[in-house]
Amino acid sequence: SQQGEEDPQALSIQEGENATMNCSYKTSINNLQWYRQNSGRGLVHLILIRSNEREKHSGRLRVTLDTSKKSSSLLITASRAADTASYFCATSNSGYSTLTFGKGTMLLVSP
Amino acid sequence: DAGVIQSPRHEVTEMGQEVTLRCKPISGHNSLFWYRQTMMRGLELLIYFNNNVPIDDSGMPEDRFSAKMPNASFSTLKIQPSEPRDSAVYFCASRPDRRSPLHFGNGTRLTVT
Repeated sequence: SQQGEEDPQALSIQEGENATMNCSYKTSINNLQWYRQNSGRGLVHLILIRSNEREKHSGRLRVTLDTSKKSSSLLITASRAADTASYFCATSNSGYSTLTFGKGTMLLVSP
Repeated sequence: DAGVIQSPRHEVTEMGQEVTLRCKPISGHNSLFWYRQTMMRGLELLIYFNNNVPIDDSGMPEDRFSAKMPNASFSTLKIQPSEPRDSAVYFCASRPDRRSPLHFGNGTRLTVT
């Protein structure tokens, strides 16, 4: 069953604009991770935020986590055409055993 | 570091045939995962190994699917007999410990006709 659900399913923006993707989940988590997938490739880990953290930054990425609302957001600032990809959130449950992925947001950044 | 290596990259087979997908995890990683990705269902966890032992195989669709990890550097996912509904991209991923993120291979695209 899907734990995380991303919103929107697809997002189309111009280069230089910011892109925001949201993720909602259902059960308690230990951490939430964001991954990126380019067409025809495997997923690549972007950033991990622990359940006791509220915000985290990595380069042009900013992730927030609201455990009371069971939601997270990924912000990509000053987007580039190379950011075009699908973005997935994944949650790690108690015990850190497995990761459950959402269905992803397809981001298209036009030059 | 060569990353997680999967083979073959593409597999086309006829219904009823046996299919074997292979994975070499990153050296030193003690956990290995098999996921299946389709447009309809997204990424589904099939099975998870820790130190070569299957821990959770609740995602394996049915008895036609089996997975093995005979040693720390090799795993296989076998489908016998294959069916058209098994068509998907199959990913292998590994991680060094339970708190670390996953490292994915580039997947095997399986088409069953």
